[in-house]
Amino acid sequence: QKEVEQDPGPLSVPEGAIVSLNCTYSNSAFQYFMWYRQYSRKGPELLMYTYSSGNKEDGRFTAQLNKASQYVSLLIRDSQPSDSATYLCAMSAGSGGGADGLTFGKGTHLIIQP
Amino acid sequence: GAGVSQSPSNKVTEKGKDVELRCDPISGHTALYWYRQSLGQGLEFLIYFQGNSAPDKSGLPSDRFSAERTGGSVSTLTIQRTQQEDSAVYLCASSLGGWYTGELFFGEGSRLTVL
Repeated sequence: QKEVEQDPGPLSVPEGAIVSLNCTYSNSAFQYFMWYRQYSRKGPELLMYTYSSGNKEDGRFTAQLNKASQYVSLLIRDSQPSDSATYLCAMSAGSGGGADGLTFGKGTHLIIQP
Repeated sequence: GAGVSQSPSNKVTEKGKDVELRCDPISGHTALYWYRQSLGQGLEFLIYFQGNSAPDKSGLPSDRFSAERTGGSVSTLTIQRTQQEDSAVYLCASSLGGWYTGELFFGEGSRLTVL
């Protein structure tokens, strides 16, 4: 079993829809949780970061973390064609870097249809 | 430039040849990472530098892979005797270092194709 599980998609939804992207994890040592967005042929860019259970909102994006159930979600409201990208969850035990620095999910390919 | 710069952006090589990939991190970032991204495989950690030293090389897939960093800045990833399974996008990232909280800044990657 991989430490981080993420449905690769593709996930295709119409413009304006609410999108929920999910990751589950098995390592209870993970303390810090991030969502990266990666456009085609570009490097990933940090979208959101959270470390406490509950919701963290930033504009149309909400990161939801449930440490008890060991999952993290990214909610996108009023989705736009420009949101079409691959979304990667990433997690850290906060040990200071290296291989323990970040563990990535495989990414979910999201397509927003105009 | 303000971001992480990688070169070449694309490299096509023949099996058995050596390749060298370069990463120029954001100025002042002490931590530097190399990842490999293969189709459908997500990001695979290769190596981590803190300054010029590499405290964690555990992700290098074989002894054909090596990396160095000089002057606490530019890093090169070298793949010797390339194989077709080395074909992937090689991503470099940097961060401020110190106590790590995951805010990596990635370059656009070097896309390697081994024929």
